[in-house]
Formats: sequence, C-alpha cells, structure tokens
Amino acid sequence: GQNIDQPTEMTATEGAIVQINCTYQTSGFNGLFWYQQHAGEAPTFLSYNVLDGLEEKGRFSSFLSRSKGYSYLLLKELQMKDSASYLCAVPRIGGKLIFGQGTELSVKP
Amino acid sequence: GEEVAQTPKHLVRGEGQKAKLYCAPIKGHSYVFWYQQVLKNEFKFLISFQNENVFDETGMPKERFSAKCLPNSPCSLEIQATKLEDSAVYFCASSQFDTGFSTGTNSYEQYFGPGTRLTVT
Repeated sequence: GQNIDQPTEMTATEGAIVQINCTYQTSGFNGLFWYQQHAGEAPTFLSYNVLDGLEEKGRFSSFLSRSKGYSYLLLKELQMKDSASYLCAVPRIGGKLIFGQGTELSVKP
Repeated sequence: GEEVAQTPKHLVRGEGQKAKLYCAPIKGHSYVFWYQQVLKNEFKFLISFQNENVFDETGMPKERFSAKCLPNSPCSLEIQATKLEDSAVYFCASSQFDTGFSTGTNSYEQYFGPGTRLTVT
C-alpha cells in the first residue's frame, strides 16, 4: 500500500521562504512529483525527484531523501501568486499518480 | 495538440441521469489517465489507457462507470445513473511513458487537462 502525508494548510508572508514537507510510505519507489494547483485550475508540474538531494529550479527547489521517505518543496521570495495548493504525488507502476491530500498555501502581504 | 483538452467544462445532471465526459490527450502521448477530485485536494485515480487499451482500471467503480479510448476519437468517461456523490471535478492527464524505470527526468510526467466539473443535483 501507500501513504502520503503533507500538512493541510500553511501561511507565509510575501518575500519570505516556505518549506512544504511530504512524507511517504510506498511499496516500491519510482520518484516523487510536486504539482501546483490554483483554485479551479488543473495541476501543473513543478518538479520530479528520483535521486536523493536537492534540485533547484528558479525560486522553487525540491528535496528528496529516499531512506527517510521524505521530500520537501522550498519556495523562495514568495509572491502573492504562489497562493495555491501544492500536491505531493508518487507514481506507481503503470504511471498512475497517488496524491497526498495537498497543502493549501496562503501568501499574505 | 500541445495541451490536454477536456469537454465540457461544466456539466449538470439530475440524479439518475447519464453523464459523458471527453478528453483529447496531447498528440503523441500514448497514456491517458482519469482522476476524480471530490474535495478540494483529494485526487482519486480511476482508470488509465495505453492507446485504446485499458491499462489499469483498479480505481473504477465498475457498476456505473465506464471509459473508452478509441482510435481517432477523444477518450470518454461515462457515468450511468449518476449519484450525488459523483459530484466532482474529473481530470484527464496524458503522458508518454509508463515504464517502471525512470528513463529521464520527467519520464512519468503527466500533463493535466483543465477538468470537467460535474454537479449532480
């Protein structure tokens, strides 16, 4: 089976840094995705980690530790438009994604 | 096309009526996935296709839900005799790979369509 946990809500201030954590327990591991979903829109791809370590992409970075079953998404220089849900997901054999419950991030001025 | 297209954007059905949703994957993508998002952030996998063949249907409530991906036609998801609990946003996603191995950074990346919001009244 699989279990994916992430905080339900987070609040941060414009210009700050926020870290959204995700822990997972899966039988077999084929990497981990982070998606961003604005209200009423489709999820959009942010990152994919399959090896341990930090991958940086502009203001967003994603970290993976396979031994700990842990990932985080780091958002720097927060902007108001970063207010969204952030979804952690693991692909299973065959490609279907198993999602966490999502973290609703509110960025305040 | 370069984007996953879904129609209609909104669909309202009375309880017991049929609902049919459509999805056109990105050209060249062999895999199509359907997900149901009932509450704000809870995604549930329904079914996947490799071209026109069902690949994984472990998430489908088989008694009322059916899906097809026929050549040269949009994929479809049909719900017979809708129930109130079927109210959700249904997302379609497509991708190139399904392999159990990572062949590249985004080998599993799925591109999502805008979704169809189904309201059952």
